[in-house]
Amino acid sequence: EDKVVQSPLSLVVHEGDTVTLNCSYEVTNFRSLLWYKQEKKAPTFLFMLTSSGIEKKSGRLSSILDKKELFSILNITATQTGDSAIYLCAVGSGTASKLTFGTGTRLQVTL
Amino acid sequence: SQTIHQWPATLVQPVGSPLSLECTVEGTSNPNLYWYRQAAGRGLQLLFYSVGIGQISSEVPQNLSASRPQDRQFILSSKKLLLSDSGFYLCAWRALSNTEAFFGQGTRLTVV
Repeated sequence: EDKVVQSPLSLVVHEGDTVTLNCSYEVTNFRSLLWYKQEKKAPTFLFMLTSSGIEKKSGRLSSILDKKELFSILNITATQTGDSAIYLCAVGSGTASKLTFGTGTRLQVTL
Repeated sequence: SQTIHQWPATLVQPVGSPLSLECTVEGTSNPNLYWYRQAAGRGLQLLFYSVGIGQISSEVPQNLSASRPQDRQFILSSKKLLLSDSGFYLCAWRALSNTEAFFGQGTRLTVV
């Protein structure tokens, strides 16, 4: 059974802090790892990672994948209140496009 | 451009009643389609996914079923709803297996 686990489950930080969100996985025939941000309804896409060690960066957000240790991290620097959301990690696996999401991390950024 | 439509946005149904949630995609063909359920403040649980018409993979044994009668239409159904079926249901599509997934706006289902 494919498994994707995120940690921590929830996190409260002050504006300006740097946070690291974790995603570990156990799947059959790994294909890709994706990060999403969910504020209200539909999750919005952040990054897709397929190769180990190559950092993807967008503004204050960055992410990297370790396919040997089976995990990924999402870093957010200089956090802002607008970063408050649920962050979701998903792993694509198998030959039939299965996409399994993790437990999610609820991030709250306070003033 | 591609768009995904999911309706209704909210639904309140009595226990034992049937359910039908519909999701359609426009602007693409042969999409991979997904149904997820999300408990409050938590991650997404994969319920069903489909790579083609009539091809449904079920992930969790439960009171729900899915069908794909047309290439860009994905339907989530139940014959008799349970209280535990309450939740936020999201439909998603992907063009290929190694691309990002795009989500509908979701349906909040409350079974009373």
